[in-house]
Amino acid sequence: GEDVEQSLFLSVREGDSSVINCTYTDSSSTYLYWYKQEPGAGLQLLTYIFSNMDMKQDQRLTVLLNKKDKHLSLRIADTQTGDSAIYFCAESKEGSQGNLIFGKGTKLSVKP
Amino acid sequence: DAGVTQSPTHLIKTRGQQVTLRCSPISGHKSVSWYQQVLGQGPQFIFQYYEKEERGRGNFPDRFSARQFPNYSSELNVNALLLGDSALYLCASSLGSVRTEAFFGQGTRLTVV
Repeated sequence: GEDVEQSLFLSVREGDSSVINCTYTDSSSTYLYWYKQEPGAGLQLLTYIFSNMDMKQDQRLTVLLNKKDKHLSLRIADTQTGDSAIYFCAESKEGSQGNLIFGKGTKLSVKP
Repeated sequence: DAGVTQSPTHLIKTRGQQVTLRCSPISGHKSVSWYQQVLGQGPQFIFQYYEKEERGRGNFPDRFSARQFPNYSSELNVNALLLGDSALYLCASSLGSVRTEAFFGQGTRLTVV
């Protein structure tokens, strides 16, 4: 099965909070990342969390990590139309020499 | 500071041809990784190079090869192109070989006809 799983779509209204969820299967994952991809563009690193942390906050972004359930979430506060994009969760495994395992991405649509 | 730069941005090739894609990492970064992103999917790891040596290889056929130069730039070569090789090819650079943030370029869109 997939190493990293995400729901494919999320639709929210401008000004609401968005929560994008991700599950991973490898308990040896060391770093977990969130990337943003706009149409026709490359990947923009949003934030990351080390596996010994529970939470990380960076301006409008909050990452929560539940190691027991292997669940990662990204909360975007005060979502704006410019946040519309595909969001990828990725894990870096111990001993993998740094290569990232990505989910299929969650397409976030923000309605005005 | 310049980010990760990739060239060309778009490319159209015919089945059976060969293609070379180029990547320049962020200044000071010694690791370059290559990913293939097929439409509607997440990126799939192809190679990682660190200090000019291959450090990791994904599940891709031998038609795919890469190298890293003394200035840490990198090339990805794909031989005997197939229609299924059509994808966005992404290059990522990072400071070290493991457990550091990876920064991606804008990618090269390869279309095989």
